[in-house]
Amino acid sequence: AQKVTQAQTEISVVEKEDVTLDCVYETRDTTYYLFWYKQPPSGELVFLIRRNSFDEQNEISGRYSWNFQKSTSSFNFTITASQVVDSAVYFCALGPAGNNRKLIWGLGTSLAVNP
Amino acid sequence: DTGVSQDPRHKITKRGQNVTFRCDPISEHNRLYWYRQTLGQGPEFLTYFQNEAQLEKSRLLSDRFSAERPKGSFSTLEIQRTEQGDSAMYLCASSRDGYGYTFGSGTRLTVV
Repeated sequence: AQKVTQAQTEISVVEKEDVTLDCVYETRDTTYYLFWYKQPPSGELVFLIRRNSFDEQNEISGRYSWNFQKSTSSFNFTITASQVVDSAVYFCALGPAGNNRKLIWGLGTSLAVNP
Repeated sequence: DTGVSQDPRHKITKRGQNVTFRCDPISEHNRLYWYRQTLGQGPEFLTYFQNEAQLEKSRLLSDRFSAERPKGSFSTLEIQRTEQGDSAMYLCASSRDGYGYTFGSGTRLTVV
């Protein structure tokens, strides 16, 4: 079975705190992709990052960083020095091997950053 | 604006009515996807097109749902005889042959 689990339903932090959003996935494919998307209150899903299964290098983009560990099937997302504008629902998604390129999504983590 | 456009943004309809949504993808993208998202859930795959061919439909897509993509450009998603359980956000995304989706803002359907 292919599945994405985001165990944290809601997180609330105070501005400038660091926060980590957890993502655990299940797949038997050896080739797959992992994604993070942000969904602000406006509703549009905004792409943040794509990682393929052969690239375990951590990535940093400004205040965002991602930690991919195949050994634990996890792809965690950290926001450093959070800001109010980071408040949104964040989704982790799995893109299995296969030609259809459809995504399997977690339930999302709602992040509230309070001033 | 060269993003993915969806119309309407919001639709309220009475149970039993038919509704149609439209999605205009990025022009050079040959793949178009429809997903449905209910409150507190992640998006669920409904169907996808490569050019004008509908290549896969989810079991979620009952026979009351139909999608088209004439000429491989815009797409429409029609729901016949709407039910309250159809209330959701309907999301369209397009990509050029891969996982590089661009999503539209979605159409929020409320069935009363």
